Amino acid sequence: AQKVTQAQTEISVVEKEDVTLDCVYETRDTTYYLFWYKQPPSGELVFLIRRNSFDEQNEISGRYSWNFQKSTSSFNFTITASQVVDSAVYFCALLLDSNYQLIWGAGTKLIIKP
Amino acid sequence: ETGVTQSPTHLIKTRGQQVTLRCSSQSGHNTVSWYQQALGQGPQFIFQYYREEENGRGNFPPRFSGLQFPNYSSELNVNALELDDSALYLCASSLGLPTSPLHFGNGTRLTVT
Repeated sequence: AQKVTQAQTEISVVEKEDVTLDCVYETRDTTYYLFWYKQPPSGELVFLIRRNSFDEQNEISGRYSWNFQKSTSSFNFTITASQVVDSAVYFCALLLDSNYQLIWGAGTKLIIKP
Repeated sequence: ETGVTQSPTHLIKTRGQQVTLRCSSQSGHNTVSWYQQALGQGPQFIFQYYREEENGRGNFPPRFSGLQFPNYSSELNVNALELDDSALYLCASSLGLPTSPLHFGNGTRLTVT
């Protein structure tokens, strides 16, 4: 069965703290893709990153970084020096090569307090 | 570059009625997909259209149907509305490759009473 688990329902930190959002996925497919999307209060989901199953290199984009570990089936997302504008719901999603349907986690609501 | 636009933004319907939601895809995008997002949950895939043909469907009953037009805009139709259909309906467009990032609209908030 395919599944994405975001165990942290809500995280609240003070501005400038670092925060990591966890994502654990399940699949038996060998080829798959992992995504992170951000959903601010306006409702529009915004694409952040895509990773394929053959590329375990970690990625850094400004204050954002992603740690992909196939050994633990995890694709965690870290925000360094968080800002109030980072407040949103963050979703992790899994796309299988076999049916190309996105499977979404339940999301983690991130609250950054000033 | 025009983004994905959805209309209406909010809608209130009565159980048993029918509803049509509309979506204009981002310019240059030929694939449109629809998602249902219940409060506090992740989006659930309804279906996808590529060049006016449905090419993927999630676990939704036939009363959820759609269309894609030659200009790649799209409609989602829901017949015989049920209370559980109350949700945010999101439209996303992409360039057609299954792994392409999705570009979402702001959604239509449907309330069924």
